[in-house]
Amino acid sequence: GENVEQHPSTLSVQEGDSAVIKCTYSDSASNYFPWYKQELGKGPQLIIDIRSNVGEKKDQRIAVTLNKTAKHFSLHITETQPEDSAVYFCAASRYTGGFKTIFGAGTRLFVKA
Amino acid sequence: ETGVTQSPTHLIKTRGQQVTLRCSSQSGHNTVSWYQQALGQGPQFIFQYYREEENGRGNFPPRFSGLQFPNYSSELNVNALELDDSALYLCASSLAAQQETQYFGPGTRLLVL
Repeated sequence: GENVEQHPSTLSVQEGDSAVIKCTYSDSASNYFPWYKQELGKGPQLIIDIRSNVGEKKDQRIAVTLNKTAKHFSLHITETQPEDSAVYFCAASRYTGGFKTIFGAGTRLFVKA
Repeated sequence: ETGVTQSPTHLIKTRGQQVTLRCSSQSGHNTVSWYQQALGQGPQFIFQYYREEENGRGNFPPRFSGLQFPNYSSELNVNALELDDSALYLCASSLAAQQETQYFGPGTRLLVL
């Protein structure tokens, strides 16, 4: 069936360093790829998204890249700060009368001050 | 602009009981999706409602059912609760079924004993 694999499951970085999270999807019909940040006790918050007709998108310290041929997409966070510590989820979505979204298992990011 | 709200925040039930969870979509959004998030995992799609009709369903049994009301708020009903139903239940709204960007509520944490 359709699935999204996400790596690593845990990532620890020093404040100011970069963090990279990678995802692979199986459904070649997926055309929308959002990334969510989830803090303890809260719902997922959309931080950036990319559509299949775009290879890269950047928003301040956050960037996402997409390789449709390889079915890979990645999240890059530069100049990490302690408040970036959270669980990050990638997802792949396709339209089937409504959008069906498959999430990865999540990456727990720790940013050490 | 009002965000997505969910009630209750926490709930404890016993096996075999029934539960109803509620969601108010973000202002102007007519599409609501429900997700189940088990501890340490990514959200799993249960179903989506668009203009009061189910508009897509994930791999969940019929004892998971829903409703959407004319004001676009929604309910998730789970019958014959099982221990494995213990999870965070998330509601997400989007501007329309054709609009892929979803905004999540804070979730309802359900514990089944």
